[in-house]
Amino acid sequence: LAKTTQPISMDSYEGQEVNITCSHNNIATNDYITWYQQFPSQGPRFIIQGYKTKVTNEVASLFIPADRKSSTLSLPRVSLSDTAVYYCLVGMIYNQGGKLIFGQGTELSVKP
Amino acid sequence: SQTIHQWPATLVQPVGSPLSLECTVEGTSNPNLYWYRQAAGRGLQLLFYSVGIGQISSEVPQNLSASRPQDRQFILSSKKLLLSDSGFYLCAWRGTQYNEQFFGPGTRLTVL
Repeated sequence: LAKTTQPISMDSYEGQEVNITCSHNNIATNDYITWYQQFPSQGPRFIIQGYKTKVTNEVASLFIPADRKSSTLSLPRVSLSDTAVYYCLVGMIYNQGGKLIFGQGTELSVKP
Repeated sequence: SQTIHQWPATLVQPVGSPLSLECTVEGTSNPNLYWYRQAAGRGLQLLFYSVGIGQISSEVPQNLSASRPQDRQFILSSKKLLLSDSGFYLCAWRGTQYNEQFFGPGTRLTVL
């Protein structure tokens, strides 16, 4: 699984758009980019996954440039309830026992 | 729909005592199952994973062990707990997307 680098922490205010960037310079051809969200005292929750270009769902958008060496998770109009740790993972583990490697993540703090 | 259960939710144990944490999954058959530990609030560490009954892969050598006696049951055990075993233990099963896993509510273990 490719190594990822993301900011340790970020601050934002309610109603703002938050963009969290993850670097993964050694991403392999078959790797997918996946983001998880974790609230305190809960397990991580899968929020979005993509391979290239842009992916959008009801929670977030994921932007992936053509070289795929980085990705940006975009949270539109955050609220206090979006305060959580966000993990970026890179790999394609479907046929490898499903092992995920979590880094330290980005701790997002949303203020009123 | 699929659900995952873990118990107990919290546990305080003395050093040297045994441990047994249980995880069960409903609504799916032959799932890949995983045990993770999270210490100090960040960075999940994969401990064990299982692709079927009686099949256990260990990721980190330590005084913990895992067993899968039934298709949808995954157990984490220790004969003698160490202080360093304190943490938040999470069980997960693999979803259908490439890097998707669903996590249980977790067990907060404190070893004194």
